[in-house]
Amino acid sequence: AQSVTQLGSHVSVSEGALVLLRCNYSSSVPPYLFWYVQYPNQGLQLLLKYTTGATLVKGINGFEAEFKKSETSFHLTKPSAHMSDAAEYFCAVSPRMDSSYKLIFGSGTRLLVRP
Amino acid sequence: DGGITQSPKYLFRKEGQNVTLSCEQNLNHDAMYWYRQDPGQGLRLIYYSQIVNDFQKGDIAEGYSVSREKKESFPLTVTSAQKNPTAFYLCASTIGLHTDTQYFGPGTRLTVL
Repeated sequence: AQSVTQLGSHVSVSEGALVLLRCNYSSSVPPYLFWYVQYPNQGLQLLLKYTTGATLVKGINGFEAEFKKSETSFHLTKPSAHMSDAAEYFCAVSPRMDSSYKLIFGSGTRLLVRP
Repeated sequence: DGGITQSPKYLFRKEGQNVTLSCEQNLNHDAMYWYRQDPGQGLRLIYYSQIVNDFQKGDIAEGYSVSREKKESFPLTVTSAQKNPTAFYLCASTIGLHTDTQYFGPGTRLTVL
């Protein structure tokens, strides 16, 4: 069965530092790939997604992610962290052969930004 | 404004009671989903519906039930058979394509007393 692994349940960075959140998926056929952000006690908001084409995807709030098929990865980065980036981030996949179009989520990474 | 609404935001239930969580969308989306979120476990799919009057079990459907009588509405009932119902519940909808974004509601936090 398809699975998603997010390394690190908590990541702490200083304001202005690089943000790197890791995501790996487990299928031989690359799925569609998504990153969502969740602020406390709120729903999820899409940051970016990869479906086809250019493997470097730019999203909202200065985030970007790169699809690397050889590494089965879709890591999320931001060059310079801001205090407002503190939230929980979820990587999700949608298997291409799955007719339900459901999302399979990783367990999430909570980003802490230190002043 | 288009979007998804969930109510109530907070819900308290006594053991043995059934409760129903509301989810309404005005995005004209065909597909709707219910997820359960527990700390450190991400989101897990409970039920989904791709068309009115049809729905399918997700990964953790036991102790839950749903209906889809209208395109806009997809209520979730947490029954007394659900052994550990305290969680954050999120409803989502999408047009119904793999590449489409799932839009999420603000969630309902259910606590069993």
